[in-house]
Amino acid sequence: GAGVSQSPSNKVTEKGKDVELRCDPISGHTALYWYRQSLGQGLEFLIYFQGNSAPDKSGLPSDRFSAERTGGSVSTLTIQRTQQEDSAVYLCASSPGTAPRGQFFGPGTRLTVL
Amino acid sequence: GESVGLHLPTLSVQEGDNSIINCAYSNSASDYFIWYKQESGKGPQFIIDIRSNMDKRQGQRVTVLLNKTVKHLSLQIAATQPGDSAVYFCAENTGTASKLTFGTGTRLQVTL
Repeated sequence: GAGVSQSPSNKVTEKGKDVELRCDPISGHTALYWYRQSLGQGLEFLIYFQGNSAPDKSGLPSDRFSAERTGGSVSTLTIQRTQQEDSAVYLCASSPGTAPRGQFFGPGTRLTVL
Repeated sequence: GESVGLHLPTLSVQEGDNSIINCAYSNSASDYFIWYKQESGKGPQFIIDIRSNMDKRQGQRVTVLLNKTVKHLSLQIAATQPGDSAVYFCAENTGTASKLTFGTGTRLQVTL
């Protein structure tokens, strides 16, 4: 089957605008993760969804960031009032359970805030 | 805070040689480690993992070594090929399966 897909692949926006990034996980995967990767940096954990449990939002950098997962499948990461420091690649991963080994990553969305 | 870092940001090796990529971690409670490979424009790809009750694990052309005494992790790639050119990240997990802490990455360049 298909891997994790993300859209758009690239997004350019103006400072102060809201953006929505989409993640389609692998079918049947119960866990979904969002990470942020700044230029030349490692991956920064943002948020984690596991089944019907309350999401782990401990990595969200500010209240401008939010995410939801509808029907246990597709997830949307929303950034309100974008700032230039939000520019990064946003990566989504899914896994069949909670084991880190099973994390399959999408290609990412490159966000540029002008 | 806890962190995972890498000693060498860029490693250049000749095709056919062995590569060694190093990683230091600071959280002694970490019990699970993963190496990921990230090619340009793609998401990270799982390479190999190791649990803290092991000190060595081998895969196809890759070996991960774990030294808990000095909190050091390494990835060895045998007979490096041009297709191995990528950024390699180590990541650690401290028992909460939801989170991985990633290092900043090492770029491996394979020269012909």
